[in-house]
Amino acid sequence: QKEVEQNSGPLSVPEGAIASLNCTYSDRGSQSFFWYRQYSGKSPELIMSIYSNGDKEDGRFTAQLNKASQYVSLLIRDSQPSDSATYLCAVNGGLGSSNTGKLIFGQGTTLQVKP
Amino acid sequence: DAGVTQSPTHLIKTRGQQVTLRCSPISGHKSVSWYQQVLGQGPQFIFQYYEKEERGRGNFPDRFSARQFPNYSSELNVNALLLGDSALYLCASSLEGNQPQHFGDGTRLSIL
Repeated sequence: QKEVEQNSGPLSVPEGAIASLNCTYSDRGSQSFFWYRQYSGKSPELIMSIYSNGDKEDGRFTAQLNKASQYVSLLIRDSQPSDSATYLCAVNGGLGSSNTGKLIFGQGTTLQVKP
Repeated sequence: DAGVTQSPTHLIKTRGQQVTLRCSPISGHKSVSWYQQVLGQGPQFIFQYYEKEERGRGNFPDRFSARQFPNYSSELNVNALLLGDSALYLCASSLEGNQPQHFGDGTRLSIL
């Protein structure tokens, strides 16, 4: 079982639709959860962080966390062609000082927003 | 404010050589982490340094080493390069170890 799992996609949605990206993780001790966006040939860009159960909204983005189900998701409302990228879910390495800086990434989900 | 800066941007080496990659964190950030990303995969954790001390090490061979300087910049060294070391090497900085990490543009290393 991979530590952080994402569907690699591609996920294709029409412009203006809601894109839903999902991620599951295996370490119940994980404390922090992040979504990064990575355009082809570029480095990851932090778009959302979430630390407690529930929803967190920032503009068109909503992150959802359910620690009981070990599940984190990202919703992108009013999707634009410029949102087409790979979205990486990252989970911190769990409790203990040696792990707090270690991010474990999923393989990423490729999102295609079609005009 | 300047983001995380990495140098060089691209590097071509041959098998058996050694390489040093450099990273300057965002001003005020004391934690630096290094990741390796191969095509089609998410970044893999290599090292984390906080206040000049190693705080974490990923599942990489001893050919990989790193250090952090008093100004919080960092270097990643890789010895005895193998073809499989070809990847994008990413540096990320954060205020503290468990805070959100911000990535530099990376160094693309190609081994011939």
